[in-house]
Amino acid sequence: QPQLQESGPGLVKPSETLSLTCTVSGGSISGSSYYWGWIRQPPGKGLEWIGTVFHGGSTYYNPSLKSRVSISVDTSKNQFSLKLTSLTAADTSIYYCARGQIIVGPSAMNYWGQGTLVIVSS
Amino acid sequence: SYVLTQAPSVSVAPGQTARITCGGDNIGSKSVHWYQQKPGQAPVLVVYDDSDRPSGIPERFSGSNSANTATLSISRVEAGDEADYYCQVWAGSSDHLCVFGTGTKVTVL
Repeated sequence: QPQLQESGPGLVKPSETLSLTCTVSGGSISGSSYYWGWIRQPPGKGLEWIGTVFHGGSTYYNPSLKSRVSISVDTSKNQFSLKLTSLTAADTSIYYCARGQIIVGPSAMNYWGQGTLVIVSS
Repeated sequence: SYVLTQAPSVSVAPGQTARITCGGDNIGSKSVHWYQQKPGQAPVLVVYDDSDRPSGIPERFSGSNSANTATLSISRVEAGDEADYYCQVWAGSSDHLCVFGTGTKVTVL
């Protein structure tokens, strides 16, 4: 059973860049049968997909965030990372990392991290 | 962009069946996944590919998908089923854009 754990700052200033890392244990991040994603949830609100990285490094992002987001994979550390630039208070959320299966195409996200709260405030 | 619409809330008595719908344009042509989220916890996958259950998920959870509506049904509802439920699909020209529904709060009376 893979385990995912988010890490990063809990408080970031407006206009700065958020960097989060998801460390994967209990399985390799290099498998072609899986994809890796970031999802966020503002306090008291619903889930918002941020983006996904697939085997080989191809990435897809939420169009509403695309200009500010990048996701990358470090296979040597079994980690993948999120960078979100030009932060505002609206980016205050719980950030989750997740693993999903690839069958014919991307399927469901069956493993999630516990989430990390990021507050954007001066 | 593709939109998934869910009713904000559903109330159900213990032992009854809760039905949570997810509306989307021709959603029947897509695979729908459902997640349960309890307060303070990460989402948990309860149904994938319209109607399949991950190991460990009770048979009380079932799904269906046709035309413009997907449905998650929870039979013999228990107090522990009280949670938020989200549907999710992959959309876009290459089906690589993830879309979540707006979420439904299930309250057990």
